[in-house]
Parts: sequence; structure tokens; C-alpha cells
Amino acid sequence: KQEVTQIPAALSVPEGENLVLNCSFTDSAIYNLQWFRQDPGKGLTSLLLIQSSQREQTSGRLNASLDKSSGRSTLYIAASQPGDSATYLCAVALRHNTDKLIFGTGTRLQVFP
Amino acid sequence: DVKVTQSSRYLVKRTGEKVFLECVQDMDHENMFWYRQDPGLGLRLIYFSYDVKMKEKGDIPEGYSVSREKKERFSLILESASTNQTSMYLCASSVRQGGRNQPQHFGDGTRLSIL
Repeated sequence: KQEVTQIPAALSVPEGENLVLNCSFTDSAIYNLQWFRQDPGKGLTSLLLIQSSQREQTSGRLNASLDKSSGRSTLYIAASQPGDSATYLCAVALRHNTDKLIFGTGTRLQVFP
Repeated sequence: DVKVTQSSRYLVKRTGEKVFLECVQDMDHENMFWYRQDPGLGLRLIYFSYDVKMKEKGDIPEGYSVSREKKERFSLILESASTNQTSMYLCASSVRQGGRNQPQHFGDGTRLSIL
């Protein structure tokens, strides 16, 4: 059974720092992996999606990498800002059933001025 | 831009009531999903639908049912609400292209409290 883990559960950093959020999964037979952002009391906003054949995706200050063989993905945030404060979730879609996303429990990020 | 709209942001109901949560998407997506989100447990899939009048159980369907009479609307029904169904409920939709499902787009969620 696929399990998705995110470490750390919470992170607090000063503005301007570069930081890395981690996501690990137990079954490498994934179709894709997606990173989401969730603001308090809100739904999820998709940030980046990496197909299983890809190694990384970039959008602005965000860079996500994927290493299927080791069951890991990282989300790199460059030059963090207070507006980046949110919970970040990763989710994998399974190769044999792309209908279902398996979510991690998230990393709650706080960037202070 | 895809818009997924959930009818209520906050809802308070009593145990034993029948509760309807509504979700509408405006992008003609084939697939629609209902999740619940609880602290420490993350998002868990309750039900999903890949076509009108079609439904599939997710990981935690007990105590819930769904209805999809029109392509744009997917309803989650709590037949007899219980306090352990107090949670944040999130609806999502996605399009199917090339036989594979594309990224899911989420609504803002409904925070449901059962007293």
C-alpha cells in the first residue's frame, strides 16, 4: 500500500532563506507527483506536477525534483517571503490507478519578516 | 481558469440530520472527487465519479453517499450525521485526456461541524 510522508511537519524560517521540503513515498510505481499549497481554511492550489518520466519542474522561485528509485521528491523554495507561509502538501497518483491521489500530511511553513 | 465551487464555507448541523454538500465545476471535467481533511490524517478520498450517474468508493466511504445527476455537479450526502463526521470537506475535479487523468483542481472547502 502506498504511503506518503512529509518531513518536517512544521518549519519556521526568516525571510530570505532558501529552504527544502521533503516528500517520500513507499511504492515507486507512480504516474506523477504533485505539490500543492494550502492557505488556512482554504482549498488546495496546485504548484507543480512532475510526471514519472521527469526529474524536475520549475515555476518561478519553486523547483520540485523527483527521484523515483529512492521514493523521494523535494520542493525547493528560493528566497522565501512571508507570503510563502502556508501548508505544503505532496500527492502521488498511482500508475495502475491514476484516479486516486495519495496525500502526505503536509509541512506547515511559516516565514517571518 | 478552472473554478470548483462548494456551496457552503461553513456548516453546522445536528447528529442524525441528513446533510448535503454540493460541488459545482465549470470546466466540463469528467472526474469529480470528495475528500475529507483531518489534522494528522491528511486528505482521504471518500468517493469519486468519472461520469454522470457513475460513482466509485474511495478509502473511507462508510456513512456517506454521493449523487451525480449532471456532469457539473457532484453532491456528498451524510445520511445520518454523526459527530465523527465533523471535518473539512474538499471537492475536486479533473479532466481525462489520452486515457489518463490530469491534475485535480480543488474548491475552497466546507468546514462541517456536527453537534
